[in-house]
Amino acid sequence: DIQMTQSPSSLSASVGDRVTITCQASQDISNYLNWYQQKPGQAPKILIYDASNLETGVPPRFSGSGSGTDFSFTISSLQPEDFATYYCQRYDNLAQVTFGPGTKVDIK
Amino acid sequence: QVQLVESGGGVVQPGRSLRLSCVTSGFIFSTYGLNWVRQAPGKGLEWVAVIWHDGSNRFYADSVKGRFTISRDDSKNTLYLQMNSLTAEDTALYYCARVTGLSRMDVWGQGTTVTVSS
Repeated sequence: DIQMTQSPSSLSASVGDRVTITCQASQDISNYLNWYQQKPGQAPKILIYDASNLETGVPPRFSGSGSGTDFSFTISSLQPEDFATYYCQRYDNLAQVTFGPGTKVDIK
Repeated sequence: QVQLVESGGGVVQPGRSLRLSCVTSGFIFSTYGLNWVRQAPGKGLEWVAVIWHDGSNRFYADSVKGRFTISRDDSKNTLYLQMNSLTAEDTALYYCARVTGLSRMDVWGQGTTVTVSS
């Protein structure tokens, strides 16, 4: 089974900060990686698909990059509404899925 | 607008069964794959199962394989999850999610809570 790790597990940041989260797969997954945001009491929301594509309606301060085993997710200038938990999610050709453990972003 | 509404959760004793439903609207149901994803209290997201748009394939997480069955009824625009032999580890908020492309979960319901307890 392919395992997903995320770093850090949590971080504290200020409004306006640049924030980067990394996600690593235990095997090459090409660009089969999505990123989600989840706020307390809400369902997850997709932000980035196929490693680097911005979902429609998502602000451009969010971005993703990487391929193979190493991926990153960046918020270029953290906004108050961005405090949330972020998950990477890998998938395969059969649409089977694994989520990363999540990264909680809170206010410094 | 596109909507997914889960129901069927509740409190159930270990070893018993429960069936969750996800009623959808606002899109052509038969053209989309669908997932169940769960979240234990205070924990991260765990994928449970997927069913392809045409029902031709279904896949499960190892943690539920052999106990849970995902199915769909295109005439009712509804997704199901039959859960058997429930254990405390199945206690979670269960979400259904629509799949666009290979596995982009672009629309989610608000979830239904399953508690397994004696």
